[in-house]
Amino acid sequence: QLQLQESGPGLVKPSETLSLTCTVSGGSISSSSYYWGWIRQPPGKGLEWIGNIYYTGGTYNNPSLDSRVSISVDTSKNQFSLKLSSVTAADTAIYYCASLYYYGSGSYGDFDYWGRGTLVTVSS
Amino acid sequence: SYELTQDPAVSVALGQTVRITCQGDSLRTYYASWYQQKPGQAPVLVIYGENNRPSGIPDRFSGSSSRNTASLTITGAQAEDEADYYCNSRVSRANHFWVFGGGTKLTVL
Repeated sequence: QLQLQESGPGLVKPSETLSLTCTVSGGSISSSSYYWGWIRQPPGKGLEWIGNIYYTGGTYNNPSLDSRVSISVDTSKNQFSLKLSSVTAADTAIYYCASLYYYGSGSYGDFDYWGRGTLVTVSS
Repeated sequence: SYELTQDPAVSVALGQTVRITCQGDSLRTYYASWYQQKPGQAPVLVIYGENNRPSGIPDRFSGSSSRNTASLTITGAQAEDEADYYCNSRVSRANHFWVFGGGTKLTVL
């Protein structure tokens, strides 16, 4: 069973870059059966998909965040990472990493395993 | 913009049946996934595909779909089912984007 764990600073200043890492255990991040995703949830609000990455490095990002988002993968460490630039208070949220099952040929399953989430606050 | 629409809040009497709905154009192509989120916890997948439950999810949870609407039904709601529920789907075949509904807060009376 996959386990995911987010890590990174809990406080980021406005206009700076938010950086988070997700460490995957219980399986290989290089598995052809998974994409790896980031999802966030502002306090008291709903879930927002940020983007996904495959072990090959291919990414898909939410168009509303695409200009500020960079997702990368480090297969040697079984980790993938999120960078969100030029943050404002609106980026304050719990950030989750999750696994997205991939059947291949452009066919996907669901976000089946989630990390516990990490709260990132944007404040000076 | 890509949207999935859910009722903000629904209530059900203990032991009764409740249906939570999700509407959106993407649901004409893709099944919705449903996630349960309790306070202070990460979302948990409860229904996926046409009507499938991951291991450990009680069989009182079921899913259905018609045209642009997906539904999550809880038959015989229990106190522990009180939570927020989110639907989710891929947006379209033309892209690899995903969208979540705004969430429904279920209260068990």
